[in-house]
Amino acid sequence: QLQLQESGPGLVKPSETLSLICTVSGDSIRNNSYYWGWIRQPPGKGLEWIGSIYYTGSTYYNASLKSRVTISVDTSRNQFSLKVSSVTAADTAVYYCARHRGTAAAPEDFWGLGTLVTVSS
Amino acid sequence: DIQMTQSPSTLSASVGDRVTITCRASQSINNWLAWYQQKSGKAPKLLIYKASSLESGVPSRFSGSGSGTEFTLTITNLQPDDFATYYCQQYNSESQTFGQGTKVEIK
Repeated sequence: QLQLQESGPGLVKPSETLSLICTVSGDSIRNNSYYWGWIRQPPGKGLEWIGSIYYTGSTYYNASLKSRVTISVDTSRNQFSLKVSSVTAADTAVYYCARHRGTAAAPEDFWGLGTLVTVSS
Repeated sequence: DIQMTQSPSTLSASVGDRVTITCRASQSINNWLAWYQQKSGKAPKLLIYKASSLESGVPSRFSGSGSGTEFTLTITNLQPDDFATYYCQQYNSESQTFGQGTKVEIK
């Protein structure tokens, strides 16, 4: 059964870099039918797509975040990761990893549980 | 950027009701529209894709319609498990954006 699990620090200081890993189990991240992505949700607010990656390393980013975001993949560990640089309080959110079916921004058909990242000194 | 606007923001309904949520796109998105259900503290769940295609395992009381810029999600015979927040999402091959959400609460 497919599982996605986010991991990483729950607290990040302003101006530093937020780093998260998503570990995929129950399927190979090399499955050529899927892209793998990150979505975030500030407390009490709506959803924002951050970006996604194919197992080959091809990436697609939300234009509004592109200058601060890096998504990478480690096929040997069946993981993909997210880095957001120069964070501020506005980056405080629950961060979800998810699977996109078919294309880089296709609807997310499977999600992790999410992890809350707070930006505070 | 394509903006998605949902209405209403909040909807009060009773078990057994038929409810409709509307989503409007700032430009035509053909039928590249999905709907999600999110319960408090949980990840969103995909309900509908390509405007009207029901995701596997989703009850048939959920249905979607529309094309171009105007779309609807309809829930017939509302069940207790359906009280949640619903989001529309437009998508193409390289980007996606969500609506602001519609909370369906108990009347």
